[in-house]
Amino acid sequence: LAKTTQPISMDSYEGQEVNITCSHNNIATNDYITWYQQFPSQGPRFIIQGYKTKVTNEVASLFIPADRKSSTLSLPRVSLSDTAVYYCLVGEIEAAGNKLTFGGGTRVLVKP
Amino acid sequence: DSGVTQTPKHLITATGQRVTLRCSPRSGDLSVYWYQQSLDQGLQFLIQYYNGEERAKGNILERFSAQQFPDLHSELNLSSLELGDSALYFCASSVGGTARDTEAFFGQGTRLTVV
Repeated sequence: LAKTTQPISMDSYEGQEVNITCSHNNIATNDYITWYQQFPSQGPRFIIQGYKTKVTNEVASLFIPADRKSSTLSLPRVSLSDTAVYYCLVGEIEAAGNKLTFGGGTRVLVKP
Repeated sequence: DSGVTQTPKHLITATGQRVTLRCSPRSGDLSVYWYQQSLDQGLQFLIQYYNGEERAKGNILERFSAQQFPDLHSELNLSSLELGDSALYFCASSVGGTARDTEAFFGQGTRLTVV
């Protein structure tokens, strides 16, 4: 069972880059790393997913070192609307399902 | 709009009662997940269905049950409700049901208040 650890909260300012690191020391060979964003009283929203090295899409980048024991979500030039909770997930392989388990998340506050 | 529809949006009921929450997944998605989110517990995985069959189970109470129907919509039944069951209940769907397939789409949730 791959457990994730991420900071409880982070503060930033508009226009800055925000980097959130997640530790997952027990990640299994077949596990993928996924990040979600959640605004208050809304369902989480998929941001990005990766297996190794670097993945980039229109909203974020995900950096995964060779040992895959951690990953870093990078949000470029954040705005006030990026204030949210960010969750790091590691896929759990079971015989026939995927628990898609969320940890505590990182509460990011973007200030003017 | 994620494409996942949950009804009702709000529900207020008394302790001891039973309620049913409904979820319609995105078109083409075979997998449905149910989550409970309360202030002190975060997002708790309850159960996952894939193409009508139960695939993974989390910390779902015995008083709770779920099913996925042939048309792929899902229902979460909560019975003998207690005050502590008050929470936001989210449904999510994804195309498949493996760990590779972790791009799930969440509905807006049903806010259940037990009084």
